Amino acid sequence: AQTVTQSQPEMSVQEAETVTLSCTYDTSESDYYLFWYKQPPSRQMILVIRQEAYKQQNATENRFSVNFQKAAKSFSLKISDSQLGDAAMYFCAYRSPTGANSKLTFGKGITLSVRP
Amino acid sequence: DSGVTQTPKHLITATGQRVTLRCSPRSGDLSVYWYQQSLDQGLQFLIQYYNGEERAKGNILERFSAQQFPDLHSELNLSSLELGDSALYFCASSLRAREGLNEQYFGPGTRLTVT
Repeated sequence: AQTVTQSQPEMSVQEAETVTLSCTYDTSESDYYLFWYKQPPSRQMILVIRQEAYKQQNATENRFSVNFQKAAKSFSLKISDSQLGDAAMYFCAYRSPTGANSKLTFGKGITLSVRP
Repeated sequence: DSGVTQTPKHLITATGQRVTLRCSPRSGDLSVYWYQQSLDQGLQFLIQYYNGEERAKGNILERFSAQQFPDLHSELNLSSLELGDSALYFCASSLRAREGLNEQYFGPGTRLTVT
């Protein structure tokens, strides 16, 4: 079974600075998908960014980018030019591409605070 | 707005009772997933339906059941409720069951409080 680990429960960043949130995962599959979801105080789960394991290029979405290290099974999220609205809980998630189900397996999440 | 709707937003009930949570997927999405978010267990997959059929089961208790109707909306039934069932229940939808990137879009959740 796949597992996702987010070892840092909390992080803090100064507004306009850059922060990196860590995530590692364990799998025996060679192809899979990785996601970062944001959960603000409203509790809505918002997809931030996604990465296909077969793609070597790191995904980028505006101020959000990932550092995907397949051999190390690491998938970190970098937030540039942090804004107050980035304060939220962030979840790393794994999904198999095929198989019996395509459920998301989530890490425990990390709470990000942004200092003005 | 993800396009996934869930009702009710909040539900307060007593132990031993039964409740039904409802989810309407995004227009065109055939697959529905249910997740439970609690303080001690985190976000956990419960069950998946695709075009009316059960596709996968996760850590879903026997007291819980779900179904997906011909119009593709889904209901999660929770019975003999216990205090530990208090949680945020999310529904997510995607177009297909498994192939491809197939992103899951989440509804706003139903907050269940069992007293």
